[in-house]
Formats: sequence, C-alpha cells, structure tokens
Amino acid sequence: AQSVTQLGSHVSVSEGALVLLRCNYSSSVPPYLFWYVQYPNQGLQLLLKYTTGATLVKGINGFEAEFKKSETSFHLTKPSAHMSDAAEYFCAVSPYSSASKIIFGSGTRLSIRP
Amino acid sequence: DAGVIQSPRHEVTEMGQEVTLRCKPISGHDYLFWYRQTMMRGLELLIYFNNNVPIDDSGMPEDRFSAKMPNASFSTLKIQPSEPRDSAVYFCASSLVTGGSNIQYFGAGTRLSVL
Repeated sequence: AQSVTQLGSHVSVSEGALVLLRCNYSSSVPPYLFWYVQYPNQGLQLLLKYTTGATLVKGINGFEAEFKKSETSFHLTKPSAHMSDAAEYFCAVSPYSSASKIIFGSGTRLSIRP
Repeated sequence: DAGVIQSPRHEVTEMGQEVTLRCKPISGHDYLFWYRQTMMRGLELLIYFNNNVPIDDSGMPEDRFSAKMPNASFSTLKIQPSEPRDSAVYFCASSLVTGGSNIQYFGAGTRLSVL
C-alpha cells in the first residue's frame, strides 16, 4: 500500500530564504510522485511530477524536488521564497503499475514573512 | 480546454435539504474523482469513476451521499438529506491515465455550507 507523510503542517520562511518542504512516502512498487499547490480559494494544481529517469525534477515557479529512493523522500525546494509562494502544498504518490488513484499527504501550509 | 468546471461555486442550504454538486471534466479524460476538503480531515477521496463506471466508493461517508456519471462529460454528487457536518469544500478532478500522464486536474471547488 502507498502512503505519504508530510513533515510539518506549517512552515514559515522569510522572503528570499530557502524553502524546504519535506515529504516521505511508502510504496511497495516504484511510485509516481507529485507535488501539488493550492492557493486560497482555488483547487489544487500540479507543481511537478516524478515518474522515471532523472531524479531531480523541476517544476513551475522555480520549485524543484529530488527523488531519493534510499531515503524514500521527495522533498520540495525553492532557493528564494517569494510572497506569492504562500499557499498549501501537497505531496502525493500513486502506484507505478496502476496509476489511477493518487494518495495525498495532509498538506503543508507555507507562509512567507516580509 | 476550459479545465474542470464545477458548479455552483458556493452553496448555502439548510439542514435536511437536498444538495447537488455538478462537475464537467476535461474532454477526453477517462477518470473522474470527487474529493472533500475540511480543516479537520484534510483532503478526502470520496469516489472515483473510470469511463463513467464507479470504481471505488469506499470514501463516501454515508448513504446520504451518492454520485453518478451518466456520460463522459458530466458527474453529480448528491447529498440527501444534508447535515451541518457536511459543510466543506468539494472538489472534482479528472485525469487521463490510459496512455496519459496521470496528472489530476482539479476544479475550483464548491464551498458548501449547511446551516
């Protein structure tokens, strides 16, 4: 069975600082991994996705994530936070072999301090 | 494509009333998902369809909840009778899995308030 754990329900960083949102997964098969972002009063939208191949995945808005199989992690980073990055971020996993249902983490709310 | 379209965006109703939420998926997508989001429980998968057929409804909280997908371009989630604890934001999402990227595209959601 697949599961996702996001460490920290709320992360606060200063504008211009590094953003690091942590995600660990459990999967019995090679997984697809996703990061979604939800801005206030909107639906979720895809930031980036890992399937196979290169373990460092680049997404929109300067975000990237690295798939580390040995650590079962898929942490999301951005070198320099912007005020517009304030949102809820969800890590998600789906089984490689039958990628229909996606298991979402509980979410991390990112706040940006001026 | 206009994306996943949900209606209404906001619904306020009184306890005991029937509520119907609507969703139009992205054309050509073969999966449709209904989620519920609350502060207490986060994002919960209620039910999902493949080619209009319900695959897994284990997340539907009670018999008061029902979902249908009469054709590839329309789905409804109905609550009858509604209760205050049903107040939440309900999202519909669609994806193309077979031969596709399996990215779920979400609608803007319906914010339901049951008084």
